[in-house]
Amino acid sequence: NAGVTQTPKFQVLKTGQSMTLQCAQDMNHEYMSWYRQDPGMGLRLIHYSVGAGITDQGEVPNGYNVSRSTTEDFPLRLLSAAPSQTSVYFCASRRRENTEAFFGQGTRLTVV
Amino acid sequence: SQQGEEDPQALSIQEGENATMNCSYKTSINNLQWYRQNSGRGLVHLILIRSNEREKHSGRLRVTLDTSKKSSSLLITASRAADTASYFCATDRAGSSGDKLTFGTGTRLAVRP
Repeated sequence: NAGVTQTPKFQVLKTGQSMTLQCAQDMNHEYMSWYRQDPGMGLRLIHYSVGAGITDQGEVPNGYNVSRSTTEDFPLRLLSAAPSQTSVYFCASRRRENTEAFFGQGTRLTVV
Repeated sequence: SQQGEEDPQALSIQEGENATMNCSYKTSINNLQWYRQNSGRGLVHLILIRSNEREKHSGRLRVTLDTSKKSSSLLITASRAADTASYFCATDRAGSSGDKLTFGTGTRLAVRP
């Protein structure tokens, strides 16, 4: 099993550009989440999904969009990149709430 | 907002020593989890302790939970250089719907050979 796979690993964007960070899991987990990690801030929840067709906002959703058309995939879209979105992004999945989460290897995004 | 805060922010010990890191949180929880993150990598789950448990062991790891003080501690015994990483606590809040696993700010552990 591959677990949680994120692509790309690194990305540089210009301010105003849009892009999609991909996340796929092969564990048939219902719950998937996107976090961003900034120095000294730990991980902050951007958006999450509790099943196909169901998404909701986390702590820092502004500037990001998500959709969940299949159980396996949960892409994160940056609508108009800003330097404040420079961060490391992690996708995670788990069977349901109150269980352990499995993380991808992260996408390091720089917005210039 | 951050649910958990780890203490200390950074810890440096000699190989073979024990390492203790603490986590405090703000609201009632269903469980508390600890994760490890090696530099530049994703987080790896270490252990989960439920709100009705007080202590749990896994190999060289020992976790305690005190819900009256809203705090947890992670003890790594007989540390090794390979234990060098950042450690995060995370909580599933009680009464919260959806996937809102909330993380603390982490403790950076350095184990000197």
